[in-house]
Amino acid sequence: GENVEQHPSTLSVQEGDSAVIKCTYSDSASNYFPWYKQELGKRPQLIIDIRSNVGEKKDQRIAVTLNKTAKHFSLHITETQPEDSAVYFCAASRSNFGNEKLTFGTGTRLTIIP
Amino acid sequence: DAGVTQSPTHLIKTRGQHVTLRCSPISGHKSVSWYQQVLGQGPQFIFQYYEKEERGRGNFPDRFSARQFPNYSSELNVNALLLGDSALYLCASSKGRQLNYGYTFGSGTRLTVV
Repeated sequence: GENVEQHPSTLSVQEGDSAVIKCTYSDSASNYFPWYKQELGKRPQLIIDIRSNVGEKKDQRIAVTLNKTAKHFSLHITETQPEDSAVYFCAASRSNFGNEKLTFGTGTRLTIIP
Repeated sequence: DAGVTQSPTHLIKTRGQHVTLRCSPISGHKSVSWYQQVLGQGPQFIFQYYEKEERGRGNFPDRFSARQFPNYSSELNVNALLLGDSALYLCASSKGRQLNYGYTFGSGTRLTVV
């Protein structure tokens, strides 16, 4: 089955700096890669996603890049703000292959230092 | 529109007991998936139901079962509870079977087994 590794497990950055979180996946058939933000005690919320036919996607301060050959994808947050502090999870899926499940990474606790 | 609603929000059970968790999807969503999130880890897929049929099952023992009702709500049942079943149980709903159709998580049920 799919295996998703995520690094780093914790990340502290100064407010205004950029943060990068990296994930690798094992199943070359995976074609859908969402990122979730989870604040303490709350539900995971989708912040951005990318499909395998696209190499990069941006949404304001957030971007995701995908390298299918190397089987890794990354989340980039620019101009970080205190409200970006949370746990971020990457995930991968073989969407449209009959078993629609997300395989999650182990999470990155991001702390923005004011 | 109401989001994905789960009940109860918190639950304490004793080892060996049985528990039933409930999920109501977003109106118009026909697919419900269940995930287990142990503290400090990413969510792990348990089941997906679509149109009242099981469409996917994760690597969980037979003590875990689920069903979906005609109104698309769902129940997750866990028998013979173990201490290791303590976790946040998340429900996610989507319009169609595929993950990229508005996949949204509920706030979860926090289960503590003592």
